[in-house]
Amino acid sequence: GAVVSQHPSWVICKSGTSVKIECRSLDFQATTMFWYRQFPKQSLMLMATSNEGSKATYEQGVEKDKFLINHASLTLSTLTVTSAHPEDSSFYICSASGRGRHSGANVLTFGAGSRLTVL
Amino acid sequence: KNQVEQSPQSLIILEGKNCTLQCNYTVSPFSNLRWYKQDTGRGPVSLTIMTFSENTKSNGRYTATLDADTKQSSLHITASQLSDSASYICVVRRSGGSNYKLTFGKGTLLTVNP
Repeated sequence: GAVVSQHPSWVICKSGTSVKIECRSLDFQATTMFWYRQFPKQSLMLMATSNEGSKATYEQGVEKDKFLINHASLTLSTLTVTSAHPEDSSFYICSASGRGRHSGANVLTFGAGSRLTVL
Repeated sequence: KNQVEQSPQSLIILEGKNCTLQCNYTVSPFSNLRWYKQDTGRGPVSLTIMTFSENTKSNGRYTATLDADTKQSSLHITASQLSDSASYICVVRRSGGSNYKLTFGKGTLLTVNP
């Protein structure tokens, strides 16, 4: 089945540094990738949607200069949290949508998530 | 406005009991509806995906139903286990165009107690 690899699974960084999270679709072409943020015991909150080769579309209230998203290829999207602060500590999840390489069916698969802790 | 509403927000049941989670949507035009299970601290995992013509689909102890006329879906869990404790998310895809948008429900947090 379609697999999305997300890493790192957890990261601790100092305040003011930047952190990059990668999301890769392993066996399908991800034409669209979604990035979410999730606080403890709360639902997924969509941050942005990106299509391969295009600029990401950010949801209202999400700072695009703070959360840089790159979707340069059909298998890779990255989220960079710039100048991270303790309030950016959260669980970040990506999902990828596209067509399965073998089945041709639409797939929507989530990564395992990345827990960011900013000290 | 395209929306997905899930109920209840949270649910506590005893191990071995059955339960049903609800999902109502206003997304149009409809393409498909998916149910995901998300364990704490993990990414969501797909349980079922249903298109317009499908009324029911099972995945082990999970059975999803879809009524495209009333725009309602349910997820029934049979003989619950402790490992079923998780958040269950309903996601509806709108059809048409190459850049479709998914609409997520806020999820139902299920707790199964021994």
